[in-house]
Amino acid sequence: KQEVTQIPAALSVPEGENLVLNCSFTDSAIYNLQWFRQDPGKGLTSLLLIQSSQREQTSGRLNASLDKSSGRSTLYIAASQPGDSATYLCAVLYGNNRLAFGKGNQVVVIP
Amino acid sequence: GAVVSQHPSWVICKSGTSVKIECRSLDFQATTMFWYRQFPKQSLMLMATSNEGSKATYEQGVEKDKFLINHASLTLSTLTVTSAHPEDSSFYICSARDEGRGIRNTEAFFGQGTRLTVV
Repeated sequence: KQEVTQIPAALSVPEGENLVLNCSFTDSAIYNLQWFRQDPGKGLTSLLLIQSSQREQTSGRLNASLDKSSGRSTLYIAASQPGDSATYLCAVLYGNNRLAFGKGNQVVVIP
Repeated sequence: GAVVSQHPSWVICKSGTSVKIECRSLDFQATTMFWYRQFPKQSLMLMATSNEGSKATYEQGVEKDKFLINHASLTLSTLTVTSAHPEDSSFYICSARDEGRGIRNTEAFFGQGTRLTVV
């Protein structure tokens, strides 16, 4: 069974600092890994998709890396802004096209 | 980009009644859609896989007679919570992919979610 862990569960940073969010998964046989953002009471917004053959993806201030062999991914958010406050979820696609989610990194960016 | 629309965003119902939640893919077709349930500060739990034109596949522990799924077209799946009870109160989210590009090569898109409160 695939298990996804996200550390830290919650963090607060002052505006302007870089954010580093970690995701680990137990079974390295994944097809891809996706990072999402979730605002309170809302659905999930896709941020980045990394294929299993890729090592990183970038979109604006966001950069996600993937080390499939060690079962790890890291999401970097540069120069954080108060609008970045949200919960960030990591999910891996594996097995019979199933998505396994972590519990999320709850981020607060302090103005 | 691909969009998945879910309706309603919230609903309050009386215990014993049924509630229907709709999930639509707006600019792509999906033979498969997914229904998740999310508890506060918990990860999303897959409830069932909705298959267009055939029966849904339910995860272990999910009552198929309580959570009825219908996937009548390539752009619409519905989840009906039958005889709802307070313990069914939760956040329900649907998901789909643009399968034309290959399931494993494309992002999963999610609806806005539905907050169900049973009183």
